[in-house]
Amino acid sequence: EIVLTQSPGTLSLSPGERATLSCRASQSVSSSCLAWYQQKPGQAPRLLIYAASSRATGIPDRFSGSGSGTDFTLTISRLEPEDFAVYYCQQYGSSSVTFGQGTRLEIK
Amino acid sequence: QVQLQESGPGLLKPSETLSLTCAVSGGSVSSGSQFWSWIRQPPGKGLEWIGYMHYSGTTNYNPSLKSRVTISIDTSKNQFSLRLRSVTATDTAVYYCARAPYAIYFDYWGQGTLVTVSS
Repeated sequence: EIVLTQSPGTLSLSPGERATLSCRASQSVSSSCLAWYQQKPGQAPRLLIYAASSRATGIPDRFSGSGSGTDFTLTISRLEPEDFAVYYCQQYGSSSVTFGQGTRLEIK
Repeated sequence: QVQLQESGPGLLKPSETLSLTCAVSGGSVSSGSQFWSWIRQPPGKGLEWIGYMHYSGTTNYNPSLKSRVTISIDTSKNQFSLRLRSVTATDTAVYYCARAPYAIYFDYWGQGTLVTVSS
């Protein structure tokens, strides 16, 4: 099973700042099989990025994904108030799915 | 617009079987590229993939749950279901159904349903 480790656990930033979230895999992940989600309290996760760098339908262009192999990054260029939430990375490989433990993005 | 809606009992006793159904609208469970999935989230914790199924009959389950889980699809009702046997308190969670193109990621989710296991 591929383990995904997200860092930091909590990120405290202000609106307008840039956020950089990391997802590290215990073994190499195909870029086409890495996704990012946003989850707000009481809501289902929402797909932000798939195939490591492709934005899902309706996702603002301030969200971007990058990376390959074992290191992937989600960047939010300029934080809006509605961006403060929990973010998860997820991989698919060897017919199995795993999620990272999440990064909480909070208002500073 | 694809919509998914979970339904089922919200309270179970230990050793019982959890049974949930996900009704799909705006899309077909018989779509060739789509896998239909269950994911859960214990209160205050992260996401755990339970498994998925393709209408052709292909299934895949989380190894940690495989011995207790069955996912099935009813194409006539355009819905899919989850059965989790012999539940314990550790199975208490919000259960989500989701669509997974090519089984790779999850693009549409239900709103989730809380299932509590308590004596």
